[in-house]
Amino acid sequence: GAVVSQHPSWVICKSGTSVKIECRSLDFQATTMFWYRQFPKQSLMLMATSNEGSKATYEQGVEKDKFLINHASLTLSTLTVTSAHPEDSSFYICSASNQPTGSPLHFGNGTRLTVT
Amino acid sequence: DQQVKQNSPSLSVQEGRISILNCDYTNSMFDYFLWYKKYPAEGPTFLISISSIKDKNEDGRFTVFLNKSAKHLSLHIVPSQPGDSAVYFCAASTTSGTYKYIFGTGTRLKVLA
Repeated sequence: GAVVSQHPSWVICKSGTSVKIECRSLDFQATTMFWYRQFPKQSLMLMATSNEGSKATYEQGVEKDKFLINHASLTLSTLTVTSAHPEDSSFYICSASNQPTGSPLHFGNGTRLTVT
Repeated sequence: DQQVKQNSPSLSVQEGRISILNCDYTNSMFDYFLWYKKYPAEGPTFLISISSIKDKNEDGRFTVFLNKSAKHLSLHIVPSQPGDSAVYFCAASTTSGTYKYIFGTGTRLKVLA
């Protein structure tokens, strides 16, 4: 149980274009989804927290107009990287939870974004 | 401000021996802690967790110890196996207030056959 699917697993796009990453909870309803970013050999950096039907809460330093997060249903959240630039190249990982606090997060397999 | 720290970026251990991974935190509001294992180009996989009301939690070969006064936790893997080779992240959260998980910087464990 508690399977999170993330798509695509990798994407290459040209500078200036937008890329959408999908995160789905396959066998549970995710009331909260988290989006993380990982730079090479670094930690998982929390970008934003999204609750179904409400606006995402972004961490300090994360541009909400650049990283658009939509959590339209209890099983789907999307992250859109708008007007991507090479510095946006990174590994993006979503996680989901249907439990109150004090329970593990379940992660997708991540999306490797390369902006050329 | 790194609230969760793993000061050892890497660790090598012989197969069959004990692996000890350490994690320190600074925020006294953290009361729930987790360990994740991660392979390259994959999402983290949950291993074991511990609530601050306990000081030890065991699951098979994995044991997590929590020292609240020192704001320190550790993961013990006994016996270590080559398949345990991966990057291990500790994470911390609060069960009240803002609901989010903060991750450490990771320790790369290599188990030598």
